[in-house]
Amino acid sequence: DTGVSQDPRHKITKRGQNVTFRCDPISEHNRLYWYRQTLGQGPEFLTYFQNEAQLEKSRLLSDRFSAERPKGSFSTLEIQRTEQGDSAMYLCASSSTLTGGGLDTEAFFGQGTRLTVV
Amino acid sequence: QKEVEQDPGPLSVPEGAIVSLNCTYSNSAFQYFMWYRQYSRKGPELLMYTYSSGNKEDGRFTAQVDKSSKYISLFIRDSQPSDSATYLCAEGGGGANSKLTFGKGITLSVRP
Repeated sequence: DTGVSQDPRHKITKRGQNVTFRCDPISEHNRLYWYRQTLGQGPEFLTYFQNEAQLEKSRLLSDRFSAERPKGSFSTLEIQRTEQGDSAMYLCASSSTLTGGGLDTEAFFGQGTRLTVV
Repeated sequence: QKEVEQDPGPLSVPEGAIVSLNCTYSNSAFQYFMWYRQYSRKGPELLMYTYSSGNKEDGRFTAQVDKSSKYISLFIRDSQPSDSATYLCAEGGGGANSKLTFGKGITLSVRP
């Protein structure tokens, strides 16, 4: 198991273009989270899935953002009509609710995808 | 008021110093408390977690939680240059509400 994997690591796009990021969680982790982190700030929650079900979306996730986890394994985050304000690090994390002990919030993060909108 | 407030930085200390990092939170629903370490251009990595008031030790690191005053701290003993990173406190509700709320982070630099 190599941990949470995100692709691409860096993305530069022109304003108005669509971008899609991929996250592969740790095997057997049933929860997958997306966060956004801007410079000098902590990560902010965007959305999370349990298996293929999207259970919560932040109000930060505007209509231009959509996330999917079609088979309960990898997930994609798409941003349509990108804006300069979308420039940030997009972090994916995964966790398991199956280990017991109440530690279902122990999330392991990927290295992130750094998006720059020019 | 933000749900999680973290002492502002940056913080610079000499090698071997004891470091104290602090956060306060406002949401009584928070049950789990975590400290993450983030190196430049990397994702956060979990350092320690706790869900009860009191202290928890792990090597040179001690996490302290005071639920009555909604205050959490991370102490680093015998700090090393390799501890230089951004430290993020995070809180979570657990159960179905498992999103994490992070503090802003504080950047620590340990001088050799």
